Amino acid sequence: DVKVTQSSRYLVKRTGEKVFLECVQDMDHENMFWYRQDPGLGLRLIYFSYDVKMKEKGDIPEGYSVSREKKERFSLILESASTNQTSMYLCASSPSGYSYNSPLHFGNGTRLTVT
Amino acid sequence: AQKITQTQPGMFVQEKEAVTLDCTYDTSDPSYGLFWYKQPSSGEMIFLIYQGSYDQQNATEGRYSLNFQKARKSANLVISASQLGDSAMYFCAMREILTGGGNKLTFGTGTQLKVEL
Repeated sequence: DVKVTQSSRYLVKRTGEKVFLECVQDMDHENMFWYRQDPGLGLRLIYFSYDVKMKEKGDIPEGYSVSREKKERFSLILESASTNQTSMYLCASSPSGYSYNSPLHFGNGTRLTVT
Repeated sequence: AQKITQTQPGMFVQEKEAVTLDCTYDTSDPSYGLFWYKQPSSGEMIFLIYQGSYDQQNATEGRYSLNFQKARKSANLVISASQLGDSAMYFCAMREILTGGGNKLTFGTGTQLKVEL
């Protein structure tokens, strides 16, 4: 079974702090994703990566950056956390290529609170 | 850009009854994939069912079936014989394949389903 592991389940940070959310997958997937989930807004894509050192902006990249130095690890960085970044963050992975039917495999999420 | 619309923020269904969760989508691509995910209160995202744009038959997985109407751009999830454990948030999503081989899923806003005795 694919396992996607997010390093923290709950995180509390202060406004202005630099925050790292870590995600590791163990199935050699090329694609990795970061979403944030907010009530009434569903899941919104922040950034994604389809190869090591590659990154692409999603729909809401402002205030975030990412790092993918190794295939299995995809980090989301909040350079200067703000209260409007309080949310549930979900990491996911999937195989590469032109396959339409491969589902995303999700981690259990990190609930970040910025005070 | 691709767009997914789920117009039912919340739904109630009686145990053992069937329920339909609505999903419409918008894309100009002839090829796409449609997914449904379940998110119980524990927060995990569980893949339920997939439908490809060229699939001739509606997808089925156990008690889940997908009512795919391509001309209307709808992909409704049907859950038969509802169980208390079906109470959860349900998300519809669409895959877009990008130039260069990457891909991404766009999600709807979700429908909160509650199954009652």
